[in-house]
Amino acid sequence: DQQVKQNSPSLSVQEGRISILNCDYTNSMFDYFLWYKKYPAEGPTFLISISSIKDKNEDGRFTVFLNKSAKHLSLHIVPSQPGDSAVYFCAASYNNNDMRFGAGTRLTVKP
Amino acid sequence: DAGVIQSPRHEVTEMGQEVTLRCKPISGHDYLFWYRQTMMRGLELLIYFNNNVPIDDSGMPEDRFSAKMPNASFSTLKIQPSEPRDSAVYFCASTTGQSGYTFGSGTRLTVV
Repeated sequence: DQQVKQNSPSLSVQEGRISILNCDYTNSMFDYFLWYKKYPAEGPTFLISISSIKDKNEDGRFTVFLNKSAKHLSLHIVPSQPGDSAVYFCAASYNNNDMRFGAGTRLTVKP
Repeated sequence: DAGVIQSPRHEVTEMGQEVTLRCKPISGHDYLFWYRQTMMRGLELLIYFNNNVPIDDSGMPEDRFSAKMPNASFSTLKIQPSEPRDSAVYFCASTTGQSGYTFGSGTRLTVV
């Protein structure tokens, strides 16, 4: 049962442009959402998070938007850089336990 | 802090053999998680522990999989007998419960 879905397995953008990664979830009990970034041969690393009481959280070039009514969140990267090329996992949890991940989206930023 | 430490980094084994993956969480983290990453399903939660006690093992695929956490600084995930479809990268993660998860570098398991 995939409670967190990332329907785009890959995304390619030009350096300097905006990258938008999308994520949908089905469990309305989720109250904390995160994005993780993963490079090859490494574990996922925490990127940015958002609580269900907010609809936007910004950290430098990274912004996460949450639309609870649509059960949808997105990650915006502006401007995109080649070093951002990685697999991005969306994750959701209830009470910070039992975190569920999406299948991941591979982002490629072309110079 | 050295982070979450997993061993081995790579494991190649023959079908039918027993495989044991190991994890040392970050000191002070009360929660430990085992995830499996595959191309088709991304990161799947297998089991998690709170204060060394298994809380939810509903993600463990079959009885061939078992996990233990004998103390706060060590956990194992065992597959017996292993099968080719178990080939994947297995990640361990830990958290205080008040922060995001910290992942280990993973163990790439290949069962031939």
